[in-house]
Amino acid sequence: KAGVTQTPRYLIKTRGQQVTLSCSPISGHRSVSWYQQTPGQGLQFLFEYFSETQRNKGNFPGRFSGRQFSNSRSEMNVSTLELGDSALYLCASSPGTTSEETQYFGPGTRLLVL
Amino acid sequence: SQELEQSPQSLIVQEGKNLTINCTSSKTLYGLYWYKQKYGEGLIFLMMLQKGGEEKSHEKITAKLDEKKQQSSLHITASQPSHAGIYLCGAVMKTSYDKVIFGPGTSLSVIP
Repeated sequence: KAGVTQTPRYLIKTRGQQVTLSCSPISGHRSVSWYQQTPGQGLQFLFEYFSETQRNKGNFPGRFSGRQFSNSRSEMNVSTLELGDSALYLCASSPGTTSEETQYFGPGTRLLVL
Repeated sequence: SQELEQSPQSLIVQEGKNLTINCTSSKTLYGLYWYKQKYGEGLIFLMMLQKGGEEKSHEKITAKLDEKKQQSSLHITASQPSHAGIYLCGAVMKTSYDKVIFGPGTSLSVIP
């Protein structure tokens, strides 16, 4: 099976712009979770989508949003970018049947906000 | 403070030496994961522990979950340069919803 893919891999934006990141999960997986990783805060949970519905949400401002399509692919959007949004954004997929199942991570999208 | 703590924060060992990384939770764990990350890349799943006292091994890496399910240790035997990277523990915390959290990571360097 192909692994989790994320596009783009690298992105440079300026403050105030918005950005959309994409994640394609492993075939058959219905849950997609998004994480932000920074040197200062480490790996933080953004949200999880399952069957096109947001199932869990972390403690991030409303500028961070996402959606999931019927084929389980997911997008994450960040509006009005701030310098502090510079980070590695990781998505992870899992079957979605239990909360203790293994998550498989993509390579990440590195976002730099100038 | 972090809900999941890891120690040590960083580790430098000579190739061939054994080492242990610890992950401690302030709450009961419902599933504990160990991942490895190369700098700037995605996480690679190592193993998952669910039952208190459970122990799993993969090649030269062994992980244990203590019986009170609040601490896990990752042990690497005869370390190699390929073991270098950041080791992260992750867990599902039961709150009003299932909250997925990660420890801050332990950076491992292996000197040939």
